Amino acid sequence: AQKVTQAQTEISVVEKEDVTLDCVYETRDTTYYLFWYKQPPSGELVFLIRRNSFDEQNEISGRYSWNFQKSTSSFNFTITASQVVDSAVYFCALSENSAGGATNKLIFGTGTLLAVQP
Amino acid sequence: ETGVTQTPRHLVMGMTNKKSLKCEQHLGHNAMYWYKQSAKKPLELMFVYNFKEQTENNSVPSRFSPECPNSSHLFLHLHTLQPEDSALYLCASSQGLGWDNSPLHFGNGTRLTVT
Repeated sequence: AQKVTQAQTEISVVEKEDVTLDCVYETRDTTYYLFWYKQPPSGELVFLIRRNSFDEQNEISGRYSWNFQKSTSSFNFTITASQVVDSAVYFCALSENSAGGATNKLIFGTGTLLAVQP
Repeated sequence: ETGVTQTPRHLVMGMTNKKSLKCEQHLGHNAMYWYKQSAKKPLELMFVYNFKEQTENNSVPSRFSPECPNSSHLFLHLHTLQPEDSALYLCASSQGLGWDNSPLHFGNGTRLTVT
């Protein structure tokens, strides 16, 4: 069965601190996609990144970076020098597979609420 | 207007009411989705439409009835709901259903409260 676990329910940091959000996934498939979404108080889930299972290169986008490690089935997300605007719920997700391969249907974790204090 | 738009943003309804949620996407996508977000639970996929055809009903009770008249519009008709149906209902769209297509783009959601 496929599953995504975000063990951290809530994290509180002070502005300018670095923070890492953990994501562990379970799948038997060799081809899959992993995602991170941000949900600010407005409610809309904002797409942050998609990573396919064959690309283990870490990625950096401004203050955001992602560490994908297939050996530990983890796809962790780090925010460097956090800002108040980073306060949101962050979801990790895994593409659900069908007989034809990975699909756009996503299996979400329960989310991590990040609160950045000024 | 761009992106995925959902109306209303908030809805309070009694258990005997009938109401509808509306979703419209301006991204030229072909697939649309309804997700339910309840407190402390992962987002749950409810329905999937591809080119107006329903491709997935994730064992959703019949008191939720989706409608997709075209690739840009998606509705969720509600009737005789239960208090446990109170949640944030999110609409999403994607270019297609396959893994090599664009990621999901979500709307702001409708916060539904059933009294």
